[in-house]
Amino acid sequence: SQTIHQWPATLVQPVGSPLSLECTVEGTSNPNLYWYRQAAGRGLQLLFYSVGIGQISSEVPQNLSASRPQDRQFILSSKKLLLSDSGFYLCACRSYNEQFFGPGTRLTVL
Amino acid sequence: QQQVKQSPQSLIVQKGGISIINCAYENTAFDYFPWYQQFPGKGPALLIAIRPDVSEKKEGRFTISFNKSAKQFSLHIMDSQPGDSATYFCAASTNPNYQLIWGAGTKLIIKP
Repeated sequence: SQTIHQWPATLVQPVGSPLSLECTVEGTSNPNLYWYRQAAGRGLQLLFYSVGIGQISSEVPQNLSASRPQDRQFILSSKKLLLSDSGFYLCACRSYNEQFFGPGTRLTVL
Repeated sequence: QQQVKQSPQSLIVQKGGISIINCAYENTAFDYFPWYQQFPGKGPALLIAIRPDVSEKKEGRFTISFNKSAKQFSLHIMDSQPGDSATYFCAASTNPNYQLIWGAGTKLIIKP
């Protein structure tokens, strides 16, 4: 079965600083990968999904970008963080109908 | 038409009671309806799922009821326990895309 790793687990960054969150997947090949953001007490907002290396679809135009340099690696980036980028970032992969989620990264932008 | 509407936003139930969370959809092409459970600080995890060819699916204390004509489905938690306190998300997807469309979530609190 697949395992999703995310790091860092928590991150505190100043406004205007860059961001790089990494997600790696084990136990599956050529997975569909997803980045979600969850604001405090809110639902899941799909940010990006990828069906393969170098293939990224953006669901919501915003201050973030995603890349997939390897089959099981998915990276979320920003050149300049905004206060509104604070939240809980979740990476997920799809296996058949089910989405498996990683442990998440708690990002606080100050 | 792609939305999944979930209610209530929050729910408080006494221990031993029945927790009921409802979801409604418009897109009749949806053919897979999962429920996910999320504990604080953790990622969501699949709890139970149903396809529209059955009206009910039960796994332990958790039951999905599905009403195709009303385009509604609901999660019932029988004999609710404090350990069930979590946020619950319904979702829906169509074949073959399998892109999940998520409800807004319900924060469930079970009072001892």
